[in-house]
Amino acid sequence: QVQLVQSGSELKKPGASVKVSCKASGYTFTTYAMNWVRQAPGQGLEWMGWINTNTGNPTYAQGFTGRFVFSLDTSVSTAYLQISSLKAEDTAVYYCARLSYSTSWYYVDYWGQGTLVTVSS
Amino acid sequence: DIQMTQSPSSLSTSVGDRVTITCRASQSISSYLNWYQQKPGKAPKLLIYAASSLQSGVPSRFSGSGSGTDFTLTISSLQPEDFATYYCQQSYSNLWTFGQGTKVEIK
Repeated sequence: QVQLVQSGSELKKPGASVKVSCKASGYTFTTYAMNWVRQAPGQGLEWMGWINTNTGNPTYAQGFTGRFVFSLDTSVSTAYLQISSLKAEDTAVYYCARLSYSTSWYYVDYWGQGTLVTVSS
Repeated sequence: DIQMTQSPSSLSTSVGDRVTITCRASQSISSYLNWYQQKPGKAPKLLIYAASSLQSGVPSRFSGSGSGTDFTLTISSLQPEDFATYYCQQSYSNLWTFGQGTKVEIK
């Protein structure tokens, strides 16, 4: 069965960096792109962007350029989200989410369990 | 970016009620509209894709309709496990966006 398993919670100081991992299993990793979604405490879902797992080409939403980097290690079927120069407002749960499709329709069908990143001095 | 606006932001309702949630796009998105359900502390779950296609395993009391800019998620008879927050999301553009969410609460 398809599973996306993310790394554990992180507590970081402002200005530090963090790297969140998302290990996929149960399907061919390079067949489906991977999205990243942020959810700040008590807030809604915010789409951060996605990465083509075949080419490694990332697409970032407005507001997620510069400090946010999507990457892959296809040898271990894992996607990564790295955030640098962390700020308090980066405190959130970060989800990886598989981009699936049916004919020309695109949607997320599987989600990771989420990784809480807390930024505090 | 395409903006997605849901209404209402929250609603209080009872088991057995019919519930309708609306999502409006800032430009036409054809039928590239998905609906997700999220319960507290859990990852979202796909309910509807392509505006009206029911995801496998989702109960038939959930339905979606609409095209262009106006869309609706309907729960025909609300069950206790349906109290949650619901999000619409467009996949028309290469840059996806979510609505702000609609919280369905117990009256």
